[in-house]
Amino acid sequence: QVQLMQSGAEVKKPGASVKVSCKTSGYTFTGYYIHWVRQAPGQGLEWMGRVNANSGGTKYAQKFQGRVTMTRDRSTTTAYIELSGLRSEDTAVYYCARVPIVVGTPRDYGMDVWGQGTTVTVSS
Amino acid sequence: SYVLTQPPSMSVAPGQTARITCGGNNIGSKSVHWYQQRPGQAPVLVVYDDSDRPSGIPERFSGSNSGNTATLTISRVEAGDEADYYCQVWDTSSDPSYVFGIGTKVTVV
Repeated sequence: QVQLMQSGAEVKKPGASVKVSCKTSGYTFTGYYIHWVRQAPGQGLEWMGRVNANSGGTKYAQKFQGRVTMTRDRSTTTAYIELSGLRSEDTAVYYCARVPIVVGTPRDYGMDVWGQGTTVTVSS
Repeated sequence: SYVLTQPPSMSVAPGQTARITCGGNNIGSKSVHWYQQRPGQAPVLVVYDDSDRPSGIPERFSGSNSGNTATLTISRVEAGDEADYYCQVWDTSSDPSYVFGIGTKVTVV
């Protein structure tokens, strides 16, 4: 079955970097984008960006430009997000989710499978 | 950036119908997706592209989208439907490109 399995919880100090992985299985990795969405405690969902699992091309939310890097490894069907310059406001659960790559249409199909989430805590 | 407006909360009795709205400028021209998030769990896609259901989602969940309002309808509400519900769109001319509403907490009373 389709699965997105994320790495475990992280505790980091302000100013440090964190890298979270999203290991995929059960589908054709290169047919999808991997998106990253975070959720601060008690708050809503916030989109951070996406990586094209086929080409490696990325699109980031302006808010995170310069601090975030999203990559993928086709050989291990794993996607990664790295966030640098951590501050307390980055404390959140980070989710990966897949969206099919569809060309020739302005429609899209939503994030149909999500990882279980990775808790990142930033504290001195 | 593109803004989606949802009511923060609503209450519904078991067996009744819940209608959750998502407002946005000319949202009828966009694909709207809806996610259910139970406490401590990852979101689950319940409606995509305005009105389609992923496999495994009950027919009780339906969606519509026209003008400036999209709506998620939950018929014959059950206790297990108690959750936060988020609408989401993709707006290529906006930043961020993928936008979520603030979420609506549905309480079954």
